[in-house]
Amino acid sequence: KAGVTQTPRYLIKTRGQQVTLSCSPISGHRSVSWYQQTPGQGLQFLFEYFSETQRNKGNFPGRFSGRQFSNSRSEMNVSTLELGDSALYLCASSSVPGKDEQFFGPGTRLTVL
Amino acid sequence: GQNIDQPTEMTATEGAIVQINCTYQTSGFNGLFWYQQHAGEAPTFLSYNVLDGLEEKGRFSSFLSRSKGYSYLLLKELQMKDSASYLCAVRDRVKAAGNKLTFGGGTRVLVKP
Repeated sequence: KAGVTQTPRYLIKTRGQQVTLSCSPISGHRSVSWYQQTPGQGLQFLFEYFSETQRNKGNFPGRFSGRQFSNSRSEMNVSTLELGDSALYLCASSSVPGKDEQFFGPGTRLTVL
Repeated sequence: GQNIDQPTEMTATEGAIVQINCTYQTSGFNGLFWYQQHAGEAPTFLSYNVLDGLEEKGRFSSFLSRSKGYSYLLLKELQMKDSASYLCAVRDRVKAAGNKLTFGGGTRVLVKP
């Protein structure tokens, strides 16, 4: 069974631009969560989607948004990029929320110049 | 919210045993996870505890005491490839039974020959 896939793997943007990241969960998994990882703050929860609905949200500004499609694939968008948005963005999938393990994808390394 | 503490760094010798402790304070608890993360890579799922006791998976074991807000990850017969960061994460018991994980800062384990 294929694991969680994320595209692109690496991305370089400049301040003020926007970016869209994509995540395809493990086949059969319907819950997708997004996390940001930085050296200073560690791994922080962004939001979770299940059945095309956002179920939980972390403490990030409104510039961070996401959505989920009917095939469970998810995208996250960051608008008006800031230097501090440079991070590894990780997607995790599980079959249903709150019941079992979460498995992470390889991440997208975003660099904002 | 959650507050999770784990040691920053540990060093051990190849073939030895290392125990990584994790303490947490939580307003709601729905499971504790351990992940392994090698530098530059995504976290890899190791274990999941939701009930008190010991879960054993080969060379890795994880223990949970909910009353004490305490868990540990035990790595036996250490190998050089076990050099990595080990992340403790707690899942919130949120109203929507979601998958929000709060991570500790990670424990970097260095295995020496």
